[in-house]
Amino acid sequence: NAGVTQTPKFQVLKTGQSMTLQCAQDMNHNSMYWYRQDPGMGLRLIYYSASEGTTDKGEVPNGYNVSRLNKREFSLRLESAAPSQTSVYFCASSEAQRFYGYTFGSGTRLTVV
Amino acid sequence: GESVGLHLPTLSVQEGDNSIINCAYSNSASDYFIWYKQESGKGPQFIIDIRSNMDKRQGQRVTVLLNKTVKHLSLQIAATQPGDSAVYFCAEMIGQLTFGSGTQLTVLP
Repeated sequence: NAGVTQTPKFQVLKTGQSMTLQCAQDMNHNSMYWYRQDPGMGLRLIYYSASEGTTDKGEVPNGYNVSRLNKREFSLRLESAAPSQTSVYFCASSEAQRFYGYTFGSGTRLTVV
Repeated sequence: GESVGLHLPTLSVQEGDNSIINCAYSNSASDYFIWYKQESGKGPQFIIDIRSNMDKRQGQRVTVLLNKTVKHLSLQIAATQPGDSAVYFCAEMIGQLTFGSGTQLTVLP
């Protein structure tokens, strides 16, 4: 099994450009998450989807939108990229919201210039 | 707000020794905790978890201890190996997982 797959792995954007980060999981998990990780820091939750058809804001949602396309896929969109959004973005999934560990993808390294 | 924190940002141990990584949490409502390992350039990898109704849980070469009285979590790695070099995060669950800032473990030859 591939687990959680994120595309692209690397991206450079100019300020003001838009892009969508893709995430897909093949574990039949119900819940999916988007985190960002800045240098020397832990992960901060951007948005999550507890189940197909639902999305909710996390700790740092400003400047982002998400779509839970189906049970497998959860995308993150930056409508107008800013240098402050330079970060590594991780998608994760879990069987359910509580008492299950999250499985993470390998990340998308985004630089906004 | 309440958050998960770590006592030490870096830890160096000799190969073959035991490692102990500590974590303090401040939210008494947290009822589930996970330790993750993150190697350079990779996503976090699940190591071991523990629910708040337990004090100790063991895995292969790893043990997690939970002290709810002082809101403290620790990860013990037995016979530390070079492959254990990584950043270790504790995470607590209140709704969703909240991560601490991590401890860099370096294994010395």
